[in-house]
Amino acid sequence: GAGVSQSPSNKVTEKGKDVELRCDPISGHTALYWYRQSLGQGLEFLIYFQGNSAPDKSGLPSDRFSAERTGGSVSTLTIQRTQQEDSAVYLCASSFQTGGNSPLHFGNGTRLTVT
Amino acid sequence: GEDVEQSLFLSVREGDSSVINCTYTDSSSTYLYWYKQEPGAGLQLLTYIFSNMDMKQDQRLTVLLNKKDKHLSLRIADTQTGDSAIYFCAESIPGGSYIPTFGRGTSLIVHP
Repeated sequence: GAGVSQSPSNKVTEKGKDVELRCDPISGHTALYWYRQSLGQGLEFLIYFQGNSAPDKSGLPSDRFSAERTGGSVSTLTIQRTQQEDSAVYLCASSFQTGGNSPLHFGNGTRLTVT
Repeated sequence: GEDVEQSLFLSVREGDSSVINCTYTDSSSTYLYWYKQEPGAGLQLLTYIFSNMDMKQDQRLTVLLNKKDKHLSLRIADTQTGDSAIYFCAESIPGGSYIPTFGRGTSLIVHP
């Protein structure tokens, strides 16, 4: 079946512009996660959605970052007034349900470059 | 709190065994995962283990868990050039949201 789909795969933007990154999770998966992977770093948790519950936004690095998940499916991560330090690969993952026995399935990521 | 540590690089000869190590700090019961990331791709789940297990084997992959030392290892038998990738260890704590915490990844380089 189809995996997690992210778009665009690459995005180059000028400093100060806003960007939107899209994630289409695996059908039927109720949990959705956004992580950021900077060069030479591990995965930094950003935000987590589970069903209709309020999202866990504890990993968002600043108020320039926001995300929403419409209809319990597609999610959009928005970065306002981008800065050069926002350059990274943004990875989306989904899982069938919340629980350690329900591992994450990742998309191929969006590589964001802020010039 | 959670903290997952890995060595950053490992170089092995084709046909040898690779052992990638990981340490974690949380003392609760936990799920532990190994993911593989090839260039330009996302993370692919290889295997996972719950902390009430000591070992799990799946074809060329063997996971060993030393819960006392909070040490996890991934052994790849008969390593091939296609195994060259970044390997991530991750931990997920039961209770709450189970959001996994990842290590920085180990780059495995397999040379002929």
